[in-house]
Amino acid sequence: DQQVKQNSPSLSVQEGRISILNCDYTNSMFDYFLWYKKYPAEGPTFLISISSIKDKNEDGRFTVFLNKSAKHLSLHIVPSQPGDSAVYFCAASGLTGTASKLTFGTGTRLQVTL
Amino acid sequence: NAGVMQNPRHLVRRRGQEARLRCSPMKGHSHVYWYRQLPEEGLKFMVYLQKENIIDESGMPKERFSAEFPKEGPSILRIQQVVRGDSAAYFCASSPSLTGANTGELFFGEGSRLTVL
Repeated sequence: DQQVKQNSPSLSVQEGRISILNCDYTNSMFDYFLWYKKYPAEGPTFLISISSIKDKNEDGRFTVFLNKSAKHLSLHIVPSQPGDSAVYFCAASGLTGTASKLTFGTGTRLQVTL
Repeated sequence: NAGVMQNPRHLVRRRGQEARLRCSPMKGHSHVYWYRQLPEEGLKFMVYLQKENIIDESGMPKERFSAEFPKEGPSILRIQQVVRGDSAAYFCASSPSLTGANTGELFFGEGSRLTVL
């Protein structure tokens, strides 16, 4: 039962252009949505998050959009840089009982080319 | 302030042996999570612990796996009688608060990669 889905395993974008990574979820009880970035042989690092009561959150080159009715969120990176090449994980969180834990998607590998 | 420290980074075990993975959370963090990443998959939640207590172990396999976070010392994820399917990267994460995971205050270690021969 994959509650958080990233249907594109990979994406290639030219440097300077916009990267758009997509994520769908099924559980309407999720309260927060996050994006994590992961380099090989390292742990995931937090990028940006959004509360379910908002539809947009921006932080520098990174913007996350949330469409609750479609149960869809996306991460926009503009302009894309070679250092952005990594695996991006979408994650969702909902306070269940006393535990706040993340449910991750399977990841999208972004390759930013020169 | 050191980050989340995991060791060993790489562990090789033969089928039937035991694997012990250790995690020292960031200073001041009392909330510890363990996640597992199988090849070509996302991270799957395993267990959430606070000092001396298991809060949520809904993602842990019912047999052979156990976790602890003692009053003193690191959190330990223990896998008994390992099988090839246990080969994965195991990530520990820590947070300073119950709801820190919601807003990005969940910090991951570099992971322990278990290979079962």
